[in-house]
Amino acid sequence: QKEVEQDPGPLSVPEGAIVSLNCTYSNSAFQYFMWYRQYSRKGPELLMYTYSSGNKEDGRFTAQVDKSSKYISLFIRDSQPSDSATYLCAMSGVSNYQLIWGAGTKLIIKP
Amino acid sequence: DVKVTQSSRYLVKRTGEKVFLECVQDMDHENMFWYRQDPGLGLRLIYFSYDVKMKEKGDIPEGYSVSREKKERFSLILESASTNQTSMYLCASNKDRGIYGYTFGSGTRLTVV
Repeated sequence: QKEVEQDPGPLSVPEGAIVSLNCTYSNSAFQYFMWYRQYSRKGPELLMYTYSSGNKEDGRFTAQVDKSSKYISLFIRDSQPSDSATYLCAMSGVSNYQLIWGAGTKLIIKP
Repeated sequence: DVKVTQSSRYLVKRTGEKVFLECVQDMDHENMFWYRQDPGLGLRLIYFSYDVKMKEKGDIPEGYSVSREKKERFSLILESASTNQTSMYLCASNKDRGIYGYTFGSGTRLTVV
């Protein structure tokens, strides 16, 4: 079993919809949780960063962490065609150099 | 604007060639990483370095080596390229342990023929 599970999609939704992207994990030592966005033929870029449990909001994006369920989510409100990309979750413990990655979910926003 | 720069966007090499992929960062980051990314397999860590002249194997180091002679530069070497090393190669760096997010380069699409 992988440490981090993420549905690869693709997930296709109409423009304006609320999008929910999710990852589950097995290691209770993870404390730092991130979402990266990767456009085609580009490197991933950091989108959201959360420490421990709770919510974090940045414009149309909300990151949510539920450590009791070992489950993290990224919500995108008022989705736009420009949000079409692959979204990767990543996480780490306190003493790690490395991030542990989900496989990425390909998101398609239809105009 | 902070950057991780990979020397080539696209590269075509022949089987058996020695291949060098270069990565330079201008953020004074301690840690640097090399990943490969393949459809359905996600990001897989090849090697990483947490200091100059230091290196650690990742999950798939076989067939690769690395060099970090200066803090800002981290090179990935394919000793004898093979067709199964055709992939997207991504370099990343970060400031401290995993608590800080990574900054990635744009990637090098390597094709071995």
